[in-house]
Amino acid sequence: AQKVTQAQTEISVVEKEDVTLDCVYETRDTTYYLFWYKQPPSGELVFLIRRNSFDEQNEISGRYSWNFQKSTSSFNFTITASQVVDSAVYFCALNTGFQKLVFGTGTRLLVSP
Amino acid sequence: DSGVTQTPKHLITATGQRVTLRCSPRSGDLSVYWYQQSLDQGLQFLIQYYNGEERAKGNILERFSAQQFPDLHSELNLSSLELGDSALYFCASSEDSFSGNTIYFGEGSWLTVV
Repeated sequence: AQKVTQAQTEISVVEKEDVTLDCVYETRDTTYYLFWYKQPPSGELVFLIRRNSFDEQNEISGRYSWNFQKSTSSFNFTITASQVVDSAVYFCALNTGFQKLVFGTGTRLLVSP
Repeated sequence: DSGVTQTPKHLITATGQRVTLRCSPRSGDLSVYWYQQSLDQGLQFLIQYYNGEERAKGNILERFSAQQFPDLHSELNLSSLELGDSALYFCASSEDSFSGNTIYFGEGSWLTVV
């Protein structure tokens, strides 16, 4: 079975702090895809990144970076120099061959000025 | 803007009623997905259609049904509504049914059952 665990329910930081959101996944498939989505207070789900199981290179996009480690089944997300606009719920998700995304329970990030 | 359009954005209805949620996928996308987000269940996959045909089914209640039309838009029908059906319903789309495709979500339809 596929499962995604986001153990951090809520994280509070002050602006300009760095913050890492943890994601641990479970799957027996050798080919799978990992995603991060952002859900701001307005409610929409915004796609952030996709990573396939064969590509363990870390990725950086502006203040965002992702660390994928197959050895620990983790796909962590770091926001550098956080801003108030980063306040949102962040979801990690897994897709294998079953053509559906399995989501974690989400991590609520609160960035205060 | 993901390109996935959902209507209505907000809906309040009474128990026992029936509602229809509508979704237009991104231009060119053949797969449409429906997800339910509730406080107690989180984000749950309901159903997927690919080019008009049902492709995968998740935790969709028998009171719920969906279809995808020849123009690729989709509708989710919710009937005999209960208080517990109150949730945010997302439609999403992807290019095809490949599991590696990015799935783009609409803004959701907030359903409140009173």
